[in-house]
Order: sequence, then C-alpha cells, then structure tokens
Amino acid sequence: KNEVEQSPQNLTAQEGEFITINCSYSVGISALHWLQQHPGGGIVSLFMLSSGKKKHGRLIATINIQEKHSSLHITASHPRDSAVYICAAPSNTGNQFYFGTGTSLTVIP
Amino acid sequence: DGGITQSPKYLFRKEGQNVTLSCEQNLNHDAMYWYRQDPGQGLRLIYYSQIVNDFQKGDIAEGYSVSREKKESFPLTVTSAQKNPTAFYLCASSNLPGAYTEAFFGQGTRLTVV
Repeated sequence: KNEVEQSPQNLTAQEGEFITINCSYSVGISALHWLQQHPGGGIVSLFMLSSGKKKHGRLIATINIQEKHSSLHITASHPRDSAVYICAAPSNTGNQFYFGTGTSLTVIP
Repeated sequence: DGGITQSPKYLFRKEGQNVTLSCEQNLNHDAMYWYRQDPGQGLRLIYYSQIVNDFQKGDIAEGYSVSREKKESFPLTVTSAQKNPTAFYLCASSNLPGAYTEAFFGQGTRLTVV
C-alpha cells in the first residue's frame, strides 16, 4: 500500500474546464507539496501547504489535515497546463519523501 | 533568495563512464535527498543525508555513491556499476522534522547514457 495515493491517474479535459486532482495520505505529515513536471522537463514546485488553502494564479491547493486529504484545482484550464502533477509529503522521521504516482493531465484546445 | 540548484538539466555520457550530478542548496537545510524516476514510474529514493559527513542508502542505492562534505552540497555519482543509469534524477532538501517541515525540490537532471 502506498503512503500517498493520487487520483485520477490520467485526466483529459477541454480547454476552460475546471480540474481537480486529489491526494490522500495515510501517514502523519506536517506539510504537503504539489509538484508539476512537463514532458521531458524538470520539476516545478507549485505549493507547500500545511493547512487551509493557497492560491497562485489559476491554481488552488487545499488540505484537510483531519481527513488526510489534499486537492489541487486548476481553473480555466489551458493546454499549457498539460503536465504530470505529483503530490509529495516528507516523512515524520525526515528520512524520505512519500510521493504520489502522479496525475497525467492533458488539456485539449 | 534561498533555493536548491541542480545541474546540469540535461546530461549525456558514454556507457562505462562515471558521472557526477550536482545538488546545492543555500537554505541551511540539514537533510538532502536523491531520487530516481524512470519513464511512467514514480520517484524512488537512492540516498539521503541528515547531517554533514553522514548519509544513508535508500531503496535503490546500488551503483550510486554520494558525499556530504558540506551542508550545502550533496553530489550524486552514477558509477559504471549502475546497470541502467538513463533516468531522471531529482534532488530535494528539507529542514529536519519538527513543528513545520520546509522542503524544496531541484528542477531535476535528465541523464542519458549512450
């Protein structure tokens, strides 16, 4: 069983649609990260959050510590949002990060 | 601004050669990590270090070596003993667990061995 589970694994959307990617975790964490990886490209850190909600442009991340669940929302999706989105959480012992398997998003014009 | 820098972004090497990937941070983080990602797969832990001059093997350490001579630097050497070195490599750093864990990720290095 993975400590961090993401859904869906793959997602295709029409340009302009509202998108939600979910991340659930079964371990105790103090913060959760959302990362973006473009095909053939590097990793970009989108958010680090330990409670509540954060917003950056069209991206919104929320976390519910009690329910051990986080969501990444993209409003007014655009083809340039096409990428793999990964959630990650540091272990409480500091010996590793737990990574979700990633959600591959394709936004069609 | 504080951050973590991985270099280079793309790296090509001939089979049988050792290659060293650089990871530097100026965040005063104690812990640093190296992960490997293969196409269509998740990230797997190679090595981590929580203090200078000390490091621990992760799940897939065979064929790799690291050093932590300075707090800021955690280079990864992919040796000729690594059977399938072509992959995406990600470095991360964090402060040690506490009330709030801050973590940063490098942009990654895509290594291709020909």
